[in-house]
Amino acid sequence: EVQLVESGGGLVKPGGSLRLSCAASGFTFSNAWMSWVRQAPGKGLEWVGRIKSKTDGGTTDYAAPVKGRFTISRDDSKNTLYLQMNSLKTEDTAVYYCTTEDTAMEGYYYYGMDVWGQGTTVTVSS
Amino acid sequence: EIVLTQSPGTLSLSPGERATLSCRASQSVSSSYLAWYQQKPGQAPRLLIYGASSRATGIPDRFSGSGSGTDFTLTISRLEPEDFAVYYCQQYGSSPRGTFGQGTKLEIK
Repeated sequence: EVQLVESGGGLVKPGGSLRLSCAASGFTFSNAWMSWVRQAPGKGLEWVGRIKSKTDGGTTDYAAPVKGRFTISRDDSKNTLYLQMNSLKTEDTAVYYCTTEDTAMEGYYYYGMDVWGQGTTVTVSS
Repeated sequence: EIVLTQSPGTLSLSPGERATLSCRASQSVSSSYLAWYQQKPGQAPRLLIYGASSRATGIPDRFSGSGSGTDFTLTISRLEPEDFAVYYCQQYGSSPRGTFGQGTKLEIK
């Protein structure tokens, strides 16, 4: 069964740090482009950032609100995706989802974000 | 940055009716890079449509997507009770790739 399981959420004070993990199973994780998407309480979906597969360069992209504060990494030996969040702000409070990006030809073809985890909740509050 | 604007914000319909949801982009988006998602309360989003008109695996054929350029549409031909949810469009064509519209809530009338 294809599955993504996030963990690491919790309550953190403004200015603090948190690291989220996403454990993947049921597919070849090392070949997958992965993204983090978040959803603030009662709000819509917001793409946070992505990491490409190592064969496609392993590079990262970030949304403007988190650039310079968040870092996405991956450990293909552990089939795990990470989101390191530093200098957290109250507006980072959200459910954080990891998701696969179904792509081909280094992103030239896009078939959608087809596998999603159940999400982990991050609350930034004093 | 491309901004996706979805309309209406809320759509009230009855089971059996046809639903038409709109997604308008601030700049042209290749139809290859337009996707739709469904999200029910307390659940993760689910991919419905990619490439503007291709249904994802397991999606019923009452869901269809169309459009090009800056105007895209998700149509649900005959609403089932389980279709009442929030729907998001997403673009992947321009940096930052992966941004979403603000969503349309489809509620039971």
